[in-house]
Amino acid sequence: QKEVEQNSGPLSVPEGAIASLNCTYSDRGSQSFFWYRQYSGKSPELIMSIYSNGDKEDGRFTAQLNKASQYVSLLIRDSQPSDSATYLCAVARGVGTGKLIFGQGTTLQVKP
Amino acid sequence: DAGITQSPRHKVTETGTPVTLRCHQTENHRYMYWYRQDPGHGLRLIHYSYGVKDTDKGEVSDGYSVSRSKTEDFLLTLESATSSQTSVYFCATAGTDDFPQHFGDGTRLSIL
Repeated sequence: QKEVEQNSGPLSVPEGAIASLNCTYSDRGSQSFFWYRQYSGKSPELIMSIYSNGDKEDGRFTAQLNKASQYVSLLIRDSQPSDSATYLCAVARGVGTGKLIFGQGTTLQVKP
Repeated sequence: DAGITQSPRHKVTETGTPVTLRCHQTENHRYMYWYRQDPGHGLRLIHYSYGVKDTDKGEVSDGYSVSRSKTEDFLLTLESATSSQTSVYFCATAGTDDFPQHFGDGTRLSIL
């Protein structure tokens, strides 16, 4: 079992729809979770971080964390073609190490 | 982002040659990381540093060494390059071990 798992996709949604991206992780002790967006040929860009159970909203993005189920998700409301990218889920490994474990990413395609 | 400059941005070299990649940051961040990104494997941590002269191995450290003699510079060396080390290499930094990490623009390395 991989430490951080994501469906590679592609996930295709129409413009204006809600895109739902999911991530599961294996280490129950994980405390910090991140979503990065990566456009083709570019570097990963941090879009959300979440540390506590529940929802965290930032503009059109909502991150959801459920530590009991070891599940973190990213919702993108009113999806735009410019949201088409690969979304990487990252989970902190241990405490005080500063190390992240990345999932392989989900490719999102938003069709006009 | 976060004042991170990677050099070179592109490099082609031959098997068996040594290669050094440089990461320079202007944010005075304590933590610095080297990742490689390959299709099917996602981002994998090679080495990281938690201060000047303080480094540790990541999950794919074989064949790589690092040095950090100044806060702002983190060097990654491929001691004797092999074709399996053809990849895109990203540097990342973080101010604390509590994240988040921000990435440089990457170096595309091809070893023939």
